[in-house]
Amino acid sequence: NAGVTQTPKFQVLKTGQSMTLQCAQDMNHEYMSWYRQDPGMGLRLIHYSVGAGITDQGEVPNGYNVSRSTTEDFPLRLLSAAPSQTSVYFCASSFWASGNEKLFFGSGTQLSVL
Amino acid sequence: GQQVMQIPQYQHVQEGEDFTTYCNSSTTLSNIQWYKQRPGGHPVFLIQLVKSGEVKKQKRLTFQFGEAKKNSSLHITATQTTDVGTYFCAGHASGTYKYIFGTGTRLKVLA
Repeated sequence: NAGVTQTPKFQVLKTGQSMTLQCAQDMNHEYMSWYRQDPGMGLRLIHYSVGAGITDQGEVPNGYNVSRSTTEDFPLRLLSAAPSQTSVYFCASSFWASGNEKLFFGSGTQLSVL
Repeated sequence: GQQVMQIPQYQHVQEGEDFTTYCNSSTTLSNIQWYKQRPGGHPVFLIQLVKSGEVKKQKRLTFQFGEAKKNSSLHITATQTTDVGTYFCAGHASGTYKYIFGTGTRLKVLA
């Protein structure tokens, strides 16, 4: 059982470059989300999705795009990377039903923007 | 927007001492969840509380959800070195899908 798979694990970008962080889950979860984690800031919600074709903004969406064409995949795109986007990124998924909203996290992507 | 704060930010304890972290939301929550993140790892689900005033126990860990469903606490009795990590609360307001995490409490246990 793979759970939530994130790729890549590490990435270094130059300012202005673009890239896509991949996230896939094999648990048939409706809900998928992206968080960034910075020291002392906890986990901040970037974007989330409650099903294929449905996405919405979280707390810190600027500079990031998402799409959800399938239940399994939820990629995060950085269109023009900035040093402020240096962070650890986590993808998480869950069922969305009362009493069963347990988030499963991927292992994270450490991104550095120079 | 919804904000979730946790105190303290850091806590160092001697092994065997108790530890408590508190979570406070600016809005009423549908439920509250607690996660543990070991250094270098990803958050791992511990428990979910749904009902107002609910108390749940997992071995040495006791979780409470406040009567107003805006605050919660995690208490660890007789800490062990395996308890080291950062503890996060998380929740979403009713009718929303934004699962907001608290700022976290980093626990260090000195042997």
